[in-house]
Amino acid sequence: GESVGLHLPTLSVQEGDNSIINCAYSNSASDYFIWYKQESGKGPQFIIDIRSNMDKRQGQRVTVLLNKTVKHLSLQIAATQPGDSAVYFCAENWGSGYSTLTFGKGTMLLVSP
Amino acid sequence: EPEVTQTPSHQVTQMGQEVILRCVPISNHLYFYWYRQILGQKVEFLVSFYNNEISEKSEIFDDQFSVERPDGSNFTLKIRSTKLEDSAMYFCASTLLDSPLHFGNGTRLTVT
Repeated sequence: GESVGLHLPTLSVQEGDNSIINCAYSNSASDYFIWYKQESGKGPQFIIDIRSNMDKRQGQRVTVLLNKTVKHLSLQIAATQPGDSAVYFCAENWGSGYSTLTFGKGTMLLVSP
Repeated sequence: EPEVTQTPSHQVTQMGQEVILRCVPISNHLYFYWYRQILGQKVEFLVSFYNNEISEKSEIFDDQFSVERPDGSNFTLKIRSTKLEDSAMYFCASTLLDSPLHFGNGTRLTVT
């Protein structure tokens, strides 16, 4: 079946480094992608999204890149801070509404001071 | 900033018992959802709700599950007869059309 997966289950970086979290998706019909951050004991928190008619979108310290040719999504975090330590999920959606939001398993980002 | 709130934060119940998980979505949102996350696994879609009816549900959402919006603020998930495999984090989410889902902090359900 269709799936969203992450290449690295854990990413360890030093404070101040740039982090890149990757995600592969397999549903070519997906037209909307979201990155969520989940801290311990909390629900998923929206970070940034991108639609399939774009290949890059920037937020505050974060950039999402979409490569539809290879069905790849990445989240770049600039100047990573200890407060960025969390599990990061990519999610994809197709069709109308958001009920068909499919999540990946998540990548743990660990930021050392 | 408005938030989705969920209660209780942790619910322990015995197998076969009924549980009701409660959520207060963001007040001007129109679409409501329940997702669940079994420990160490992906967040999985359960059900979406719009205009006082279920708009979509997954295979997980069988006859043991039901949702209700009893008033203008609450959105509940009921599990009629809990099973051990229902143990998970249950997340409520809400959204306006064409905006990202806002999630609550979840209810940890433990079935013993």
